Amino acid sequence: GIQVEQSPPDLILQEGANSTLRCNFSDSVNNLQWFHQNPWGQLINLFYIPSGTKQNGRLSATTVATERYSLLYISSSQTTDSGVYFCAVPKRDDKIIFGKGTRLHILP
Amino acid sequence: ETGVTQTPRHLVMGMTNKKSLKCEQHLGHNAMYWYKQSAKKPLELMFVYSLEERVENNSVPSRFSPECPNSSHLFLHLHTLQPEDSALYLCASSQEYGATNEKLFFGSGTQLSVL
Repeated sequence: GIQVEQSPPDLILQEGANSTLRCNFSDSVNNLQWFHQNPWGQLINLFYIPSGTKQNGRLSATTVATERYSLLYISSSQTTDSGVYFCAVPKRDDKIIFGKGTRLHILP
Repeated sequence: ETGVTQTPRHLVMGMTNKKSLKCEQHLGHNAMYWYKQSAKKPLELMFVYSLEERVENNSVPSRFSPECPNSSHLFLHLHTLQPEDSALYLCASSQEYGATNEKLFFGSGTQLSVL
């Protein structure tokens, strides 16, 4: 089945820094979602981005479906950006599977 | 606020207890999901309901029993759990099930500890 790999697994940055998180997937997909899980466990849907680029404030995401990867950019990081970032893609049977996530810690 | 509400927020139970997790969605969605999140593991899909009918059961032990009385409510009944069942249990919903362009909306989860 499709594999989803995220990198890096952990990232520690100073407040104000920029970061790039990567999601690689092993098969073609027509849907990719990025989620942020805050330290209290809440998962928030950030982007639905099967292809192209989207921006929402300091966050943006780009998916290159033909090359099977997606990138999540966070600019001018704030401590509230801390948490775990997941990407999720559907398998052929429509089940959505998640990567293991990137744990981001923004230091004040 | 995602429109998906889970209760309780935290639950501690013994291995002989029976308890239930509750999920309610206010989004008018037709599909609801239970996910399990254990430490250092990807989210695992447990159950899916579409229009109140179970459509997925991913080899989950029978000590977990889901119930979907209507499209807005989803329960997970727990009995004789094991310590390894301790995890964050997340409920999610989407407009429909099976459409690969569906967006998932998650609740805040129930942090379960089994002693």
